[in-house]
Amino acid sequence: GENVEQHPSTLSVQEGDSAVIKCTYSDSASNYFPWYKQELGKRPQLIIDIRSNVGEKKDQRIAVTLNKTAKHFSLHITETQPEDSAVYFCAEGVGNEKLTFGTGTRLTIIP
Amino acid sequence: EAGVAQSPRYKIIEKRQSVAFWCNPISGHATLYWYQQILGQGPKLLIQFQNNGVVDDSQLPKDRFSAERLKGVDSTLKIQPAKLEDSAVYLCASSLKFPNRGSSYNSPLHFGNGTRLTVT
Repeated sequence: GENVEQHPSTLSVQEGDSAVIKCTYSDSASNYFPWYKQELGKRPQLIIDIRSNVGEKKDQRIAVTLNKTAKHFSLHITETQPEDSAVYFCAEGVGNEKLTFGTGTRLTIIP
Repeated sequence: EAGVAQSPRYKIIEKRQSVAFWCNPISGHATLYWYQQILGQGPKLLIQFQNNGVVDDSQLPKDRFSAERLKGVDSTLKIQPAKLEDSAVYLCASSLKFPNRGSSYNSPLHFGNGTRLTVT
């Protein structure tokens, strides 16, 4: 990967509402797009990933969509809960080689 | 399975001093990465090893940073001399690499808890 832009930088949503975070990348060779969740003072943890041969992947309340033509991918969290509060990072690369991370989105769930 | 182990957890040094970080990856993971995460930013890859060989060190400031993975298992990252802007969390990560397949078949990255370095 070369460059990835992540928006928004901060996001506050009411508990139970949905949250969407979007990333845009520039390297057309990228084929792997993971999302990491990082709680304060802790390690980044993979929450979901998608490869370029599919357009959408879902795991319970979390889903990721990929538009290779437009070079953007998004994280969707539905029915948000207080424990979803964290910083979320998107990343892109060729396999796991040279993953480039976004600048992060601080998500706050308001009870 | 045991996770990626890193030490120390915290380190405070003065500028121009030296520091070393240690990482032990998940057992069996051939690929090891060192990332630098400056406060408020995403992790930035410094160096990637495949077994004991360097795959990519294009973003490693080689005038002051060095890393090794002599036996293809654990790894050390050294900074000498440190600068104020080196203050960051240094994250080690590891992944499997499936032999005889392309890079798209790497397993996901597993991160350690990191070493928080403060340079004063």
